[in-house]
Amino acid sequence: GAVVSQHPSWVICKSGTSVKIECRSLDFQATTMFWYRQFPKQSLMLMATSNEGSKATYEQGVEKDKFLINHASLTLSTLTVTSAHPEDSSFYICSATGTGGVVQYFGPGTRLTVT
Amino acid sequence: AQTVTQSQPEMSVQEAETVTLSCTYDTSESDYYLFWYKQPPSRQMILVIRQEAYKQQNATENRFSVNFQKAAKSFSLKISDSQLGDAAMYFCAYRSARNTGTASKLTFGTGTRLQVTL
Repeated sequence: GAVVSQHPSWVICKSGTSVKIECRSLDFQATTMFWYRQFPKQSLMLMATSNEGSKATYEQGVEKDKFLINHASLTLSTLTVTSAHPEDSSFYICSATGTGGVVQYFGPGTRLTVT
Repeated sequence: AQTVTQSQPEMSVQEAETVTLSCTYDTSESDYYLFWYKQPPSRQMILVIRQEAYKQQNATENRFSVNFQKAAKSFSLKISDSQLGDAAMYFCAYRSARNTGTASKLTFGTGTRLQVTL
């Protein structure tokens, strides 16, 4: 149990375009979802926390107008990178917890390359 | 704010041997959770083990066990009978026991890369 999926696993987009990444909890209701960014050989950097039906809470330094997060249902959260630039190229990982849950279950990640 | 420190960027262990990865943390809270996550080359984060701060007994999961020293704010991971599949990046993480706001977020250490040799 506790499976989280992400789609796509790898995406290439042109500079200036927007790209959407989906995160789904497959076998539990995800009341809270988290979005992370990870640079090569580095740790995970939390970008934002979102609760179902509420606006996401962004970490300091993360541009909320650039990284749009929607958590419209208990099984789906989306991260949209708007007007992507090469510096947005990174590995994006989502995670989720259920109601009262302590453990975060992670998706397999999405590699974004902006050309 | 909480911080998590992993002072060993890389470790190496021979197959079938035992290795210990170190983690220290800093917090003013008395109730919290600690985790070890494993990130293999696939980059999928996998939960290895968790520890509740209010429990004095050290958590164990098969070949994985922790040495939780609350007063010293230390949380090391011991891997026994190391296998080739244990080769990965290991992250120590802290979570507050509070469930309000963004308290449920994880604070990660910088990671320790574990190599397993034949």
